[in-house]
Amino acid sequence: DQQVKQNSPSLSVQEGRISILNCDYTNSMFDYFLWYKKYPAEGPTFLISISSIKDKNEDGRFTVFLNKSAKHLSLHIVPSQPGDSAVYFCAATNAGGTSYGKLTFGQGTILTVHP
Amino acid sequence: KAGVTQTPRYLIKTRGQQVTLSCSPISGHRSVSWYQQTPGQGLQFLFEYFSETQRNKGNFPGRFSGRQFSNSRSEMNVSTLELGDSALYLCASSLQLNTEAFFGQGTRLTVV
Repeated sequence: DQQVKQNSPSLSVQEGRISILNCDYTNSMFDYFLWYKKYPAEGPTFLISISSIKDKNEDGRFTVFLNKSAKHLSLHIVPSQPGDSAVYFCAATNAGGTSYGKLTFGQGTILTVHP
Repeated sequence: KAGVTQTPRYLIKTRGQQVTLSCSPISGHRSVSWYQQTPGQGLQFLFEYFSETQRNKGNFPGRFSGRQFSNSRSEMNVSTLELGDSALYLCASSLQLNTEAFFGQGTRLTVV
């Protein structure tokens, strides 16, 4: 039972363009969502998060959008840079409950940004 | 500020053996979580410790165990290793009420 899904295994984008990574979840108890970036042989690096009381959060080139009714979130990277090429993981947790330390991850999307 | 440190980085063990992995969290972080990453299953939650107490546990067999010390350092142990235990084991730490988990570089365990 995959509670967090990233349906696109890979995404290829031209440098300077927008990258949009998508994530769907099924567990309505999730109330906090995070995006991580991962390079091979390294641990995930935290990028940006959003609480379920918001529908948008921005940090520099990264913006996360949350649509609670659709149980869908997306990460926008504008403009995309070759250094953004990595695996991106969406994660969710129930921060309002007792399990906020437990992150449920999607399967990841490989982003490739071409110069 | 030093990040999360995991040791060793690489490990090769034989089936049936046991292994202990170590994690030192970011200074001041009191919560430590462990995850297993495999190509087939992705990143899966193992367990979480806070103030030396296990708070959450994932769906892994009892061969997987862990503990946290008073200085917040954590260890995880896997007994009776199986080939399927080969994976990247990641440790993450977070502040008491902060859900942003910061990950270490992981320990790559290979069981032969």
